[in-house]
Parts: sequence; C-alpha cells; structure tokens
Amino acid sequence: AQSVTQLGSHVSVSEGALVLLRCNYSSSVPPYLFWYVQYPNQGLQLLLKYTSAATLVKGINGFEAEFKKSETSFHLTKPSAHMSDAAEYFCAVTTGNQFYFGTGTSLTVIP
Amino acid sequence: GAGVSQSPRYKVAKRGQDVALRCDPISGHVSLFWYQQALGQGPEFLTYFQNEAQLDKSGLPSDRFFAERPEGSVSTLKIQRTQQEDSAVYLCASSFRVGPNYGYTFGSGTRLTVV
Repeated sequence: AQSVTQLGSHVSVSEGALVLLRCNYSSSVPPYLFWYVQYPNQGLQLLLKYTSAATLVKGINGFEAEFKKSETSFHLTKPSAHMSDAAEYFCAVTTGNQFYFGTGTSLTVIP
Repeated sequence: GAGVSQSPRYKVAKRGQDVALRCDPISGHVSLFWYQQALGQGPEFLTYFQNEAQLDKSGLPSDRFFAERPEGSVSTLKIQRTQQEDSAVYLCASSFRVGPNYGYTFGSGTRLTVV
C-alpha cells in the first residue's frame, strides 16, 4: 500500500523567505512522487515529479524537491517566496496508475 | 483541446436527484481518471479508464456512482440519488500514456453541492 503524509496543514512565510513544505511517503516498492499546486477554484497543476532518476528534482516556478529514501521524505522547497505562491500544495505517490494524495498544505505568503 | 475540460463547473442538486458530470480529456490521451475531493481534503481516486475500458473502479463509494467512456474520449460520471455526503469537487485527469512515470493533466473540476 502507498500513502503520503503532509506535515502542517497550514504554513505561513514572509515574502522572500524560504518555503519548506513537508511530505513523507510510505510505499512497499520504489515510488514515483509528485507535487501538485492548486489555486482557488482550479484543478491541480504539476509542479515536479520524481521518477527514480536524479534525487534532486527541479520544477516550475523555482520549486524543487529532494527524494531521501532513508528518511522516506520528499519535501518541497523554494528559496524565496513570492506572493503568487500562495495556494494549496499536494504531495502524491503512485506505483501504478492510481495516485494517492496527501491532505494538502495551504501556503500563505505574508507581504 | 488544450486542456482537460469539465462541465458543468458548478452543480447544485437536490437530495435524491441524479447528476451527470462530463469530462473532455486532451485529444489522444489514453488514460482517464476521476477523483473526488472533499472540502479540505486531498483528491481520492474513484475510477480509471484506459481508452474505453474501465480498468479500475475500486474507488467508487457506492453503486450509486457510475462512470463510462464509451468511445475512449469523453467520459461521464453519473451519480444517482445524490446524498449530502456526495458534495465535493469531482476532478478528471488524463494522460497520453499509461504508467506511473507520467504526471496527469487535471481539469478544473465540477463542484457538486447537494442540498
């Protein structure tokens, strides 16, 4: 079985500060991991994905995530938050065709 | 089309009413998924199609839920005798190929409110 846990349902950062959104996964086989962003009243947009190539994955809008097998983690980071980053972020895992999503982290950026 | 299109965007149904939600995937996309996203939660899997074949419907919460994709393109999710617990955003996603290596393109969803 696969699952993800997102620590912190709400995260607030100041504009220009580091963004760190946490995701830990559980999987009995090597997983594929994804981060999606959801803006209000919109669908999910893919930020980045880990598919067993490089452990440090770079995505859109300056986000990146590092796959750490020893910690079963795939935390999302961005060096400098922008107001436009305010949204809901979802971590997801799959080993087949079905995605398992976390409960999401709402990011607030304080000007 | 350029993206995954879902209609209607919003639907209000009286309890007991039947509803039909439509998904137009990106042209040529083989895989199509339906997810249910309750308020404040992450999306949860409902069902999966590969072309016209429904390969997995393990996530459908009850026999009131039914999905089809008869010609391998447009898909319809039907909910019969809607209940208040069916209120959620229903997301459709599609992918050009089959397999976990591919992220999926999501539509904007249909927000269903059952009153």
